[in-house]
Amino acid sequence: SQQGEEDPQALSIQEGENATMNCSYKTSINNLQWYRQNSGRGLVHLILIRSNEREKHSGRLRVTLDTSKKSSSLLITASRAADTASYFCATAASGGSYIPTFGRGTSLIVHP
Amino acid sequence: GAVVSQHPSRVICKSGTSVKIECRSLDFQATTMFWYRQFPKKSLMLMATSNEGSKATYEQGVEKDKFLINHASLTLSTLTVTSAHPEDSSFYICSAPRLAGITNEQFFGPGTRLTVL
Repeated sequence: SQQGEEDPQALSIQEGENATMNCSYKTSINNLQWYRQNSGRGLVHLILIRSNEREKHSGRLRVTLDTSKKSSSLLITASRAADTASYFCATAASGGSYIPTFGRGTSLIVHP
Repeated sequence: GAVVSQHPSRVICKSGTSVKIECRSLDFQATTMFWYRQFPKKSLMLMATSNEGSKATYEQGVEKDKFLINHASLTLSTLTVTSAHPEDSSFYICSAPRLAGITNEQFFGPGTRLTVL
């Protein structure tokens, strides 16, 4: 069964605006990863946040993790048209199972 | 960073033929690799876990005889779609975890687009 669930399912914004996507999960995790997928292409790893971390930054990306709420958010600041893609979160459950499970993704469209 | 490659990136085949997809970890060893399938505009569905030196573990609903997995070495896993049919057309992605301390970081291949005519 799917572990992570992203919302919103679709997000449409103007270039320059910030985009926030959320991911909720159900069980305890070792880490959570965010990926980007351009249409018809493979996954691009964006950022990994471990269960003992609360926030991480990478360029225009900011990821937060709230293990008490079992949720994570991905913020893309000053969005660009090139950020148009689907974004997935994947969780690796704790307890020895490292199989990442994916949510359905958020489809982001950034209008120039 | 770690790199996982897949070959081929795209394949078109006739119905009834078998197609082999390779997944390689290029700079690290992976005793376990994962195979996913993605339908258009859908999430990735885990198909099976490939285990080096033992049989693959398949997820519920995935036909073992249809999707043959062989973990030939610590850097190579192959997925063979046997007697492919149009409904097998999909995007197949593999991943390999690299243990980093107590957590694993997953590295994904670029995917293989299979089209069965």
